[in-house]
Amino acid sequence: DAGVIQSPRHEVTEMGQEVTLRCKPISGHNSLFWYRQTMMRGLELLIYFNNNVPIDDSGMPEDRFSAKMPNASFSTLKIQPSEPRDSAVYFCASRNRFNTEAFFGQGTRLTVV
Amino acid sequence: AQSVSQHNHHVILSEAASLELGCNYSYGGTVNLFWYVQYPGQHLQLLLKYFSGDPLVKGIKGFEAEFIKSKFSFNLRKPSVQWSDTAEYFCAVNLNQAGTALIFGKGTTLSVSS
Repeated sequence: DAGVIQSPRHEVTEMGQEVTLRCKPISGHNSLFWYRQTMMRGLELLIYFNNNVPIDDSGMPEDRFSAKMPNASFSTLKIQPSEPRDSAVYFCASRNRFNTEAFFGQGTRLTVV
Repeated sequence: AQSVSQHNHHVILSEAASLELGCNYSYGGTVNLFWYVQYPGQHLQLLLKYFSGDPLVKGIKGFEAEFIKSKFSFNLRKPSVQWSDTAEYFCAVNLNQAGTALIFGKGTTLSVSS
């Protein structure tokens, strides 16, 4: 398996634009997590899904953020409109149903100017 | 609320020094515990994990961690660090139930000088 795949790896956008981050979890994994990493806040859990269903989105900072998981092999995190304070590295991770370790993607470095 | 605390924000050591990074958690229930490492510019990778059994667990690259239930702690140790251990280290916890959230501490940056 190629592991968790995120795209794009880098994104630079202007304030006010819509940004969509993508994640393909490891095949057979049924939990998917979206995290945001910044120097100030560390690694924050934004939202996670079990069996494609959002379980806890209390970490989503504002209504500008939304996430979907239309099927077991794909998830998106959307920011609309984007703001400079959204600049961060966004990680996606997946885990199998036995609750063992989560595997992380390479991350998307988002810069909003 | 569930939380994970890492006491050290930045640790600076010389090569061959011993390392101990603290981690405490606040959870009501049986937990699974993890340490992840993030090398500069890379994604998080698992160092070691504890689910049950022997509270002293050994991971990759000579790292080990001890689960002390009475102290809600899971400290990471290495007897002799190397320059290549320079990285950020994260403690993480989830409840020992299927489909629960994996919560991370804020991380500890380790800088090892040669």
